Amino acid sequence: EVQLVESGGGLVQPGRSLKLSCVASGFTFSNYGMNWIRQAPGKGLEWVAYISSGSSYIYYAETVKGRFTISRDNAKNTLYLQMTSLRSEDTALYYCASGQGDYWGQGVMVTVSS
Amino acid sequence: DIVMTQAPLSVSVTPGESASISCRSSKSLLHSNGITYVYWYLQKPGKSPQLLIYRMSNLASGVPDRFSGSGSETDFTLKISRVEAEDVGIYYCGQLLENPRTFGGGTKLELK
Repeated sequence: EVQLVESGGGLVQPGRSLKLSCVASGFTFSNYGMNWIRQAPGKGLEWVAYISSGSSYIYYAETVKGRFTISRDNAKNTLYLQMTSLRSEDTALYYCASGQGDYWGQGVMVTVSS
Repeated sequence: DIVMTQAPLSVSVTPGESASISCRSSKSLLHSNGITYVYWYLQKPGKSPQLLIYRMSNLASGVPDRFSGSGSETDFTLKISRVEAEDVGIYYCGQLLENPRTFGGGTKLELK
């Protein structure tokens, strides 16, 4: 059974940092490009970042460029999102998802508030 | 950025009837390799999105063949024939032609 399990979310003050993790199982993680996609409460889907299977290609949304860093460890079947200088507008449910969205995690909530 | 525009905002369907959702892109999603990079997802209430259609007209694994995708270079349609209760949720189109990857605003499907 394919599983993507995110963790690391929570309540954080503006300007602080948080690191999300996504552990994959049930498929060959190292063969897939991976995304972080977020959904603000009551809103639609917003793509955040993409990393290719071998980490050669990395892309970010303009709204997070320079503040967020996507990375992966294929030996550990794990995707990461390091988030710094967090803002209230980063408050959302963060999903990890495979390249074209075949697989999605259950999401992890990040709330940025003082 | 490529803008994806969906219509309608919401649709109410009688079970057993069909429904269509439209999506328009601000730029052609047809790549020089002949593939049209538009995708359809369904987010059921309280759940994560799931892939329904990839590359405009290909049914994702495990998705009932009541779902079908079609379109041109910039205008796309998701058709659901014989709507069932399990089809309720928000439908999103999305493009993977170029970064940033973008999604439509969503279409909510409800049952009458």
